[in-house]
Amino acid sequence: DAGITQSPRYKITETGRQVTLMCHQTWSHSYMFWYRQDLGHGLRLIYYSAAADITDKGEVPDGYVVSRSKTENFPLTLESATRSQTSVYFCASSLLRGNNEQFFGPGTRLTVL
Amino acid sequence: GDSVTQMEGPVTLSEEAFLTINCTYTATGYPSLFWYVQYPGEGLQLLLKATKADDKGSNKGFEATYRKETTSFHLEKGSVQVSDSAVYFCALNSNSGYALNFGKGTSLLVTP
Repeated sequence: DAGITQSPRYKITETGRQVTLMCHQTWSHSYMFWYRQDLGHGLRLIYYSAAADITDKGEVPDGYVVSRSKTENFPLTLESATRSQTSVYFCASSLLRGNNEQFFGPGTRLTVL
Repeated sequence: GDSVTQMEGPVTLSEEAFLTINCTYTATGYPSLFWYVQYPGEGLQLLLKATKADDKGSNKGFEATYRKETTSFHLEKGSVQVSDSAVYFCALNSNSGYALNFGKGTSLLVTP
């Protein structure tokens, strides 16, 4: 039971490059989320998706693009990476909205030089 | 908007000490409240939750009670172990929303 996986686990890139972070879940959960974790900020929501082809912005969406053509995949793209996007990125999924538990992937540590 | 405030860390305790991590929230309506734990190098995992006032969530010796009158959801454990060393996040969901609002996290270090 793979659960929710993220790739790559670590990534170093340069300012201005495009980077895509992958997220895959095996539970057929409807809801998927991308968060970034930074010291002093906790986790902040970037984008979320309620189903395939339905996505919406979270608290900090600028500079990011998402897509969800299949229920199980929710890639996050940094179109032109900036140093301020250096962070740890977590993907999560949940079966239902509201008080339902979210399951988190192991995270991707991204460094933008 | 909804928000969560939790005590700043790091918190350092000796093994078998009593743990309290304070969490208060601001939200309209009746949110659901959660504690998540993050062990080093891992993602977050749900520790416990409460979905209505006066509910008590419990798991692995940890407890938290949903107090609407004080808008609080403090995490407690009677006797911590070295293996409890981790970062603890308080979070809420407004039930009408999709995502979680997290506090900034409290780092706990338990020493032998």
